[in-house]
Amino acid sequence: GDSVTQMEGPVTLSEEAFLTINCTYTATGYPSLFWYVQYPGEGLQLLLKATKADDKGSNKGFEATYRKETTSFHLEKGSVQVSDSAVYFCALSDQGNNNDMRFGAGTRLTVKP
Amino acid sequence: DVKVTQSSRYLVKRTGEKVFLECVQDMDHENMFWYRQDPGLGLRLIYFSYDVKMKEKGDIPEGYSVSREKKERFSLILESASTNQTSMYLCASTPTGGVYGYTFGSGTRLTVV
Repeated sequence: GDSVTQMEGPVTLSEEAFLTINCTYTATGYPSLFWYVQYPGEGLQLLLKATKADDKGSNKGFEATYRKETTSFHLEKGSVQVSDSAVYFCALSDQGNNNDMRFGAGTRLTVKP
Repeated sequence: DVKVTQSSRYLVKRTGEKVFLECVQDMDHENMFWYRQDPGLGLRLIYFSYDVKMKEKGDIPEGYSVSREKKERFSLILESASTNQTSMYLCASTPTGGVYGYTFGSGTRLTVV
């Protein structure tokens, strides 16, 4: 079945460092791809999404590009802040089935001042 | 701002009690979901519903039931709470289409003693 594999954490960076969190997927169809963020003690929030190949999702300085040739959707940010410390989840959804959102295991990011 | 509201942030119940977790969304979404989140196990789907009075089992439905009498409300029921149901419970909703992503509630941290 469809699945997502993301980079294991934890990831620790200094403020203003460049961030990459790798995410690859396996899907039989043409999924939509998502990144969610979870701050301590909270639910998940949708960070960005892309619904077709070569689409770039972006929000709050984060970006990810839907790469069909490498089945990847890596999350990047040019300069992280302490407030970006959170757990990040990559996910995919079969566009024909709302009931099939598959989540990665999550990557914990800690940004130190 | 659109919302998914979970009735309690923290809940402590005794073993054997019947527990109700309530979730309400104000976005007129057709699809609603209950997940539990445990360290090292990620998000696991318990039940979902794609319409009023409809329900489908997810990956770990044992020990749980659900109710969806109105479109905006999706309740998770622990028939007889056990200590292994201590967890963070997350409710989510999404419209039909597979491209929108989920909107999550803030979560309910349930402790069964």
